[in-house]
Amino acid sequence: EIVLTQSPATLSLSPGERATLSCRASQSVSSNLAWYQQKPGQAPRLLIYDASNRATGIPARFSGSGSGTDFTLTISSLEPEDFAVYSCHQRANWPWTFGQGTKVEVK
Amino acid sequence: EVQLVESGGGLIQPGGSLRLSCAASGFTVSSNYMSWVRQAPGKGLEWVSVIYSGGSTFYADSVKGRFTISRDDSRNTLYFQMNSLRAEDTAVYYCARGSTVTNWLDPWGQGTLVTVSS
Repeated sequence: EIVLTQSPATLSLSPGERATLSCRASQSVSSNLAWYQQKPGQAPRLLIYDASNRATGIPARFSGSGSGTDFTLTISSLEPEDFAVYSCHQRANWPWTFGQGTKVEVK
Repeated sequence: EVQLVESGGGLIQPGGSLRLSCAASGFTVSSNYMSWVRQAPGKGLEWVSVIYSGGSTFYADSVKGRFTISRDDSRNTLYFQMNSLRAEDTAVYYCARGSTVTNWLDPWGQGTLVTVSS
């Protein structure tokens, strides 16, 4: 099973600041990685797919990078609605797996 | 508009059975893959099962042999039959569609809570 390790567990930032979230895979997933955003009481929403492609309707302040085992989600300037939990997800190998999530909270 | 609505969750005793439904609109459930993902209270997301357009199915080891994913194309509905339920199966269960644009899980339903407790 491919384990996805996200860091940090919690990121405390202020609106307008830059957020950098990491996802490390226990073995290569090539570019088969996506990022999801989840707010309390809501379903996850696809942000980034194939490591670096923004999903439809996702603002340009969200960007993804990486391949192989190391991936990064960057939010260039945090808006109030961006404070949420972000999870990475791989479907390169069975079973599909998710990271444990990074919570971006207001400092 | 693409929409998924889950139902069928509730409180069930250990060892019991439950069937979840996921009604789809705005697309056909057989057009790409459909999946179930669960989230235990206060925990991260856990993928549990997928069914492909051709009918192939895959399961996480944690549910293999106990849970069955299926779909009814005439009702445009995805199902999840859960048998021999355990306390550790307590979670919000989400259905999600494999997008024909991105080929990733998008969108997701709002989820249905399954609580396994005596």
